Amino acid sequence: DIQMTQSPSSLSASVGDRVTITCRASQGITNNLHWYQQKPGKAPKRLIYAASSLQSGVPSRFSGSGSGTEFTLTISSLQPEDFATYYCLQHNSYPLTFGQGTKVEIK
Amino acid sequence: EVQLVESGGRLIQPGESLRLSCTASGFTVSSNYMSWVRQAPGKGLEWVSVIYSIGTTFYTDSVRGRFTISRDSSENTLFLQMNSLRAEDTAIYYCARSGSNWEFDIWGQGTMVTVSS
Repeated sequence: DIQMTQSPSSLSASVGDRVTITCRASQGITNNLHWYQQKPGKAPKRLIYAASSLQSGVPSRFSGSGSGTEFTLTISSLQPEDFATYYCLQHNSYPLTFGQGTKVEIK
Repeated sequence: EVQLVESGGRLIQPGESLRLSCTASGFTVSSNYMSWVRQAPGKGLEWVSVIYSIGTTFYTDSVRGRFTISRDSSENTLFLQMNSLRAEDTAIYYCARSGSNWEFDIWGQGTMVTVSS
C-alpha cells in the first residue's frame, strides 16, 4: 500500500499569511494526487486535481505542485474562509490513501 | 442538479449487517466510477471501496470479505452492504463520484453508522 505522509498535522496562521502543506508518498505516484478541503460537518471539497490543476471555481490563491513522491498545497494569502482541514489523496494504486490531514487554525 | 444523497446509517450492534444507499441525480451511477469513503469521529478520511462502470470492484483490506459494493441502474443508486460490523466501522460514510481525472468530484452529505452494543 502507498503511505501518504502529510505535514504539518496542524498549523496556526493569520489572515494574509502564506501557508504550505506537504504530502510525501512512500513510492512514486507521478501526478496522481489530489487535494481536498473539509470544513466541520461538511463533505470534502475538491481543490486541486492531478497535483497542480485548480478546480474550476476555486480561488487562485490555492495552488498545487509536485510530482513523484513530494507534493505541496500552497495558499498564497490565507482568508477567513480558508480555515479548515486539508487532505491529500493518491489514486495511483489501490487502496487509495489519504494523508492524515492538516488542520489550519486561526492564530 | 448533480448530487448524491446517502441514507441507511443508524445505530447497530456488533456482528450485525447494514446496507447503505446513495442515490444520484443529474448523472448515471452505472456510467461512472463510484466510491465509498468513511470518516471515523474526529479522524481523517479513509477510502473504502470502488465500483467501476464495467463492474470491477476493489476494497480496502479492513473491509474485504465483509463489505460489498453494488449498484442498481433502475434506481440510479449505489449500495454498500456491510456485514459482520465492528466497533471500528463506526464512521460517517460518504459516497463519491470519480471525475475525469480520477479525483472525487461529487460527494454526498454522508450518513452516520454507529456500531455499539
